[in-house]
Amino acid sequence: AQSVTQLDSQVPVFEEAPVELRCNYSSSVSVYLFWYVQYPNQGLQLLLKYLSGSTLVESINGFEAEFNKSQTSFHLRKPSVHISDTAEYFCAVTPGNTPLVFGKGTRLSVIA
Amino acid sequence: ETGVTQTPRHLVMGMTNKKSLKCEQHLGHNAMYWYKQSAKKPLELMFVYSLEERVENNSVPSRFSPECPNSSHLFLHLHTLQPEDSALYLCASSRYSTGDFYGYTFGSGTRLTVV
Repeated sequence: AQSVTQLDSQVPVFEEAPVELRCNYSSSVSVYLFWYVQYPNQGLQLLLKYLSGSTLVESINGFEAEFNKSQTSFHLRKPSVHISDTAEYFCAVTPGNTPLVFGKGTRLSVIA
Repeated sequence: ETGVTQTPRHLVMGMTNKKSLKCEQHLGHNAMYWYKQSAKKPLELMFVYSLEERVENNSVPSRFSPECPNSSHLFLHLHTLQPEDSALYLCASSRYSTGDFYGYTFGSGTRLTVV
C-alpha cells in the first residue's frame, strides 16, 4: 500500500517570498505523483503531476515540483508567491492500478 | 465550472433523518468516487465506481449507501448518521478507475453537518 506524508500542516509566507511545501511518499512499487490545490469553498484542482521522464514538472501558474526517487519526495516550490496562492495543497500518489492516496494537506497562507 | 457538479452545497441533518447527496459529470468519464474530507485528516476514499459497478468499498459504515445508476450520476444515501460524520463530501471522476494518469476532476463538495 502507498502512503503520503505532508509534514507541514500550515506554512505562512510573505508575499513575493519563495515557498516549498514538502511531500514524502512510501511505496514498494513505482508510483505517479500529483499535487492538487483547494481554494476556500471549492473542490480540489489538479496543479501538476509526474508520470515519467523529466523529474522536474511545472504548472501554468509558476509552481514546480521535483521527483526525487532516492528520497521518495515530491516537494512543491514557487519562487515568488502571491496573495492568490493562499489555499490548501494536497500531495497524492498512485501506482496506477489503485485510486489516488492523498496526504493530509498543507495550508499555505500568503501574508501581504 | 469544474465539470463535476455536487448538490446540495450545504446540508444540515438530524441523526434520524434520511438524505441523499448527488453528483453529476458530463465529461465522458467512466469512473466516479466519493471521498470524505475531515479537518486535519487525509482525504478518505469511501467508494469507487467503474462503469457503474462498485469496485471498491473502504470499510465504510452501512449508514452510507452509494448508488450509481449510470456513468454520469452518483448518489450517496445517508441515514441515521452520527455527529462524527460531519465533513465535506467530495465527488470526483476520472476517465478510468485504473491506469488513468490524467488525474481526477473534483466537484466543489457538500458540507454536511449532523446535529
